[in-house]
Amino acid sequence: EVQLVESGGGFVLPGESLRLACVASGFSFTSYSMSWVRQAPGKGLEWVSTTRVNNIDKYYADSVKGRFTISRDNSKNTLYLQMNSLRAEDTAVYYCAKDGRAGACDSWGQGTLVTVSS
Amino acid sequence: EIVLTQSPATVSLSPGERATLSCRASQTVSTFLAWYQQKAGHPPRLLIYDASSRATGIPARFSGTGSGTEFTLTISSLEPEDSAIYYCQQRSMWPSTFGQGTKLEIK
Repeated sequence: EVQLVESGGGFVLPGESLRLACVASGFSFTSYSMSWVRQAPGKGLEWVSTTRVNNIDKYYADSVKGRFTISRDNSKNTLYLQMNSLRAEDTAVYYCAKDGRAGACDSWGQGTLVTVSS
Repeated sequence: EIVLTQSPATVSLSPGERATLSCRASQTVSTFLAWYQQKAGHPPRLLIYDASSRATGIPARFSGTGSGTEFTLTISSLEPEDSAIYYCQQRSMWPSTFGQGTKLEIK
């Protein structure tokens, strides 16, 4: 059974940093691209970032480009999201997702809440 | 950036009825289009990938059609548990984008 468990969320001030982690199990982590998707309170889904297996090809939403960095440690089956210069509009539940066929996210974690407020 | 527009924003139907949800792309995405179901307090669940392929464990009453810029998710005979928000997502071009969602209410 695929399991994705996020951690690292919390309450931070604007301008501060946070690193999210997602530990994966139940599948061959080194065979799949991985993504982060977020959802602001009461709002829709927003794709944030995707990394390929090689940890070199990475893609970002314009809203986070230059502030967020996605990475993965294939030896630890762990996906990361380093978030710098956080803003109030980054407040959201952040989901880790496994990419499957045709790039669709076929497995999701339960999410971790990030709150950015002064 | 490819914009996905979903319609209607909200739809209210009775059990046993047929639901037709639309997703329109601002430019072609070929068939790199997925549909998700999200219930309150839960993460999204993949229903359809590659525009028309059902994900593992998804009931046959869910089906997807379309290619290019016009896509449809059909639920052939609604069950009470189908009450949720449905999102489409394109993975044809970076950045990937989601539609704004359609809220399906079961009367």
